[in-house]
Amino acid sequence: EIVMMQSPATLSVSPGERATLSCRASQSVSSHLAWYQQKPGQGPRLLIYGASTRATGIPARFSGSGSGTELTLTISSLQSEDFAVYYCQQYNSWPWTFGQGTKVEI
Amino acid sequence: QLQLQESGPGLVKPSETLSLSCTVSGGSISSSSHYWGWIRQPPGKGLEWIGSIYNSETTYYNPSLKSRVTISVDTSANQFSLKLNSVTAADTAVYYCAKPRPDSSGYYGGMDVWGQGTTVTVSS
Repeated sequence: EIVMMQSPATLSVSPGERATLSCRASQSVSSHLAWYQQKPGQGPRLLIYGASTRATGIPARFSGSGSGTELTLTISSLQSEDFAVYYCQQYNSWPWTFGQGTKVEI
Repeated sequence: QLQLQESGPGLVKPSETLSLSCTVSGGSISSSSHYWGWIRQPPGKGLEWIGSIYNSETTYYNPSLKSRVTISVDTSANQFSLKLNSVTAADTAVYYCAKPRPDSSGYYGGMDVWGQGTTVTVSS
């Protein structure tokens, strides 16, 4: 099983600042990685798949990069609606696994 | 536009079987090359993939749950279902059904359609 490790656990940023979230895999996931955003009381929302492809309707300030074992989600200029928990998920091999999440707070 | 909706009991007794259904609307569950899946989230915790079914017959399960879980498709009802037997309090969670989409290399995995989630509590 591929273990996904996200860092930091909590990221404190101000609106307008850049946020960089890391996802490290215990073995290569190639580019078969997705990023999700989850707000309190809501289900997850797909942001990025294929490591770097934005899902439908996702603003350009969200970008994904990396491959193999080191992957990154960048939010270029945080808006108030971006404060949430973010999860990475690998689908390179079964079982699919999620990281533990990074909380982005003000 | 494809939509998913979970349904099932919100309260299950310990040692019994948790049974949930996910109704697919806006599309056919038996269309070719489709994966369907279940994910859960215990209170205050992260997401856990439970399992997926491909083309209505090939299943993949989380090894931590494999001995207790069954995912199946009912094409006549345009639904897929989750059964988890011998539940304990540790199975208390919000359960989501979801559909992954393919990426540019043809791998399915990023889940772009989700149900709203249903809370299941295991308690006597």
